Amino acid sequence: RKEVEQDPGPFNVPEGATVAFNCTYSNSASQSFFWYRQDCRKEPKLLMSVYSSGNEDGRFTAQLNRASQYISLLIRDSKLSDSATYLCAVLRATGGFKTIFGAGTRLFVKA
Amino acid sequence: EAQVTQNPRYLITVTGKKLTVTCSQNMNHEYMSWYRQDPGLGLRQIYYSMNVEVTDKGDVPEGYKVSRKEKRNFPLILESPSPNQTSLYFCASSIRDTREQYFGPGTRLTVT
Repeated sequence: RKEVEQDPGPFNVPEGATVAFNCTYSNSASQSFFWYRQDCRKEPKLLMSVYSSGNEDGRFTAQLNRASQYISLLIRDSKLSDSATYLCAVLRATGGFKTIFGAGTRLFVKA
Repeated sequence: EAQVTQNPRYLITVTGKKLTVTCSQNMNHEYMSWYRQDPGLGLRQIYYSMNVEVTDKGDVPEGYKVSRKEKRNFPLILESPSPNQTSLYFCASSIRDTREQYFGPGTRLTVT
């Protein structure tokens, strides 16, 4: 079993839809969590960090569930420009920088 | 402009010919890291550095070397490249407090 797992998708949704991605992690010592966005053949770009209390940035909401060991990303009112691969990332331990990425979830938003 | 740069962006080489991929950041970040990305496997961390002269292995360090002699630079060295090192490589940097990573544009390496 991979340490960080994501549904690879693809998710095909119409414009305006709400879509949710989950990411599960197996190492309970994991301390920091992130969502990145990657466009085809480009570098990943930070979308948002994920905090224990949950956090929101415009149409994007991230949640952390430590008990069940997963993080989620909710995108409301999807735009065509949201089409990309969404990667979750987990830092294994406090003070370190050992990072595990999920393989990514592909999203296609259609007009 | 705050950025992470990598060179070269594309490289085709032959088995066994030593090569270096450079990475530089102008954000005064303490942390730097190298990843490789392969279809179906996602991003895998090769090496990381938490400060000058401090480096540590990621999940796939075999066949790679790194050094961190200056804060801004973190070169990736392949002493004897092999075809299984054909991949897309990303360098990233981060400030210590947040560990939010900023990625370079990537280097596509082909080893024949």
